[in-house]
Amino acid sequence: LAKTTQPISMDSYEGQEVNITCSHNNIATNDYITWYQQFPSQGPRFIIQGYKTKVTNEVASLFIPADRKSSTLSLPRVSLSDTAVYYCLVGPTMDSSYKLIFGSGTRLLVRP
Amino acid sequence: DVKVTQSSRYLVKRTGEKVFLECVQDMDHENMFWYRQDPGLGLRLIYFSYDVKMKEKGDIPEGYSVSREKKERFSLILESASTNQTSMYLCASTLVPRQALYGYTFGSGTRLTVV
Repeated sequence: LAKTTQPISMDSYEGQEVNITCSHNNIATNDYITWYQQFPSQGPRFIIQGYKTKVTNEVASLFIPADRKSSTLSLPRVSLSDTAVYYCLVGPTMDSSYKLIFGSGTRLLVRP
Repeated sequence: DVKVTQSSRYLVKRTGEKVFLECVQDMDHENMFWYRQDPGLGLRLIYFSYDVKMKEKGDIPEGYSVSREKKERFSLILESASTNQTSMYLCASTLVPRQALYGYTFGSGTRLTVV
C-alpha cells in the first residue's frame, strides 16, 4: 500500500477556501485516492474519492495531477463545523482484500 | 440512511475481564473491520472479515479475537482485558466490490477504559 504524507495541522478562518495536499509518490496503477473526515469522538466519514483529474461533490473537490503522485482536497468556504482531522488514503479499492491503512491525518482548525 | 451501530459508546471494565464489543451494519456489506484509535498512533487495524465465519488478522491482533456468525454482526472480543487496551474502538464495513463508489462506513466508536 502506498505511503501518504500530509501536513500535521492547518489553520484557517471561516469563509476561506482550504486546500490540503497529500503526497503519495509510490501510488500504483490500480490505486484510488480517498479522503476521510473525522470529528472528535466519532468514526471517520468518507468525503470523496478519485483516480485522476478532478472530482467534485457537494462537500469538496479533489484535484489529482497527471502523474498522480499527489492530490489536493479543496474545501470551499469553510465553517467552524469543518474543524476536524482529514485523512488521505491510497489503495486498490476494487481489491476485495483491501483494508484501509490510516496515516496521522491533517488536523484542520477553522477560526471565527 | 445506512448505518454501522456499535452497542456501547462508553465502557469501563476491570483488568482480566472478558469484554465483548458488538457491531451491527444494516447495509448487507460483506467486509467488516475493527480498528483501535489512540492519540499519536492513529487508527490501527485489529481484525477484519470478508464473509460470515471468515476472519483475518490485521496489524495488531494480539489480545483480541473476533466472531462473525451472521453477515450483519461482527464482534470484537478482548479475552482478558488489560490497561493497555484502553482505547477508542471503531467498527467499519464496506461493500465489495463497489468500494470505489461508497468507501467505508464507520460506526461512532466505543471508548473503552480498562481499570
